[in-house]
Amino acid sequence: GAVVSQHPSWVICKSGTSVKIECRSLDFQATTMFWYRQFPKQSLMLMATSNEGSKATYEQGVEKDKFLINHASLTLSTLTVTSAHPEDSSFYICSARGAGRGLGNTGELFFGEGSRLTVL
Amino acid sequence: AQKVTQAQTEISVVEKEDVTLDCVYETRDTTYYLFWYKQPPSGELVFLIRRNSFDEQNEISGRYSWNFQKSTSSFNFTITASQVVDSAVYFCALSVREYGNKLVFGAGTILRVKS
Repeated sequence: GAVVSQHPSWVICKSGTSVKIECRSLDFQATTMFWYRQFPKQSLMLMATSNEGSKATYEQGVEKDKFLINHASLTLSTLTVTSAHPEDSSFYICSARGAGRGLGNTGELFFGEGSRLTVL
Repeated sequence: AQKVTQAQTEISVVEKEDVTLDCVYETRDTTYYLFWYKQPPSGELVFLIRRNSFDEQNEISGRYSWNFQKSTSSFNFTITASQVVDSAVYFCALSVREYGNKLVFGAGTILRVKS
């Protein structure tokens, strides 16, 4: 099956620094990538949708300036947590949907392994 | 509005027992997809199944089976003869065309299988 890879798998940073997380589709072109956030023992909450070559669409309540998303190519999307604070500590997961893959308009979604961010 | 409810927060069973995880969904769209994902302690999401709204056939894959009933808006997941390796968090999710096909996840059910 298709592979989506996230890097880094885990990162620890000091408060106030910025952290970049990469999401790559390794064997298909991802026209759309989604970024989710998961707090401990909670479900996944969609943060934003990014389409290659255009601005990301953020869900209500998600700070655009805090969580910068770039989808510069069909195989790479990045999430940058700017001026991270302890409350940003979370598990971030990306998913990718390829053009023409899967059933109908949905296209199958493939998830990355997740990136655990800890802000001290 | 789209919503997925997994009423069971946590289930504990003994190995070899059968276990059913419940999932109830809400949507006004007639075209939608339902999913089940497994999240082991390592964190990655493992895709288990996708079912579209026009296919109510139940499905069996090894020890896994799914019961999709539109009349009750449910998409339940049964593991037969559970094993310790089945211990994980299981998420039911809904994708609706009207909502841009984004996935809406349920709260998840923690399954603990004891030996």
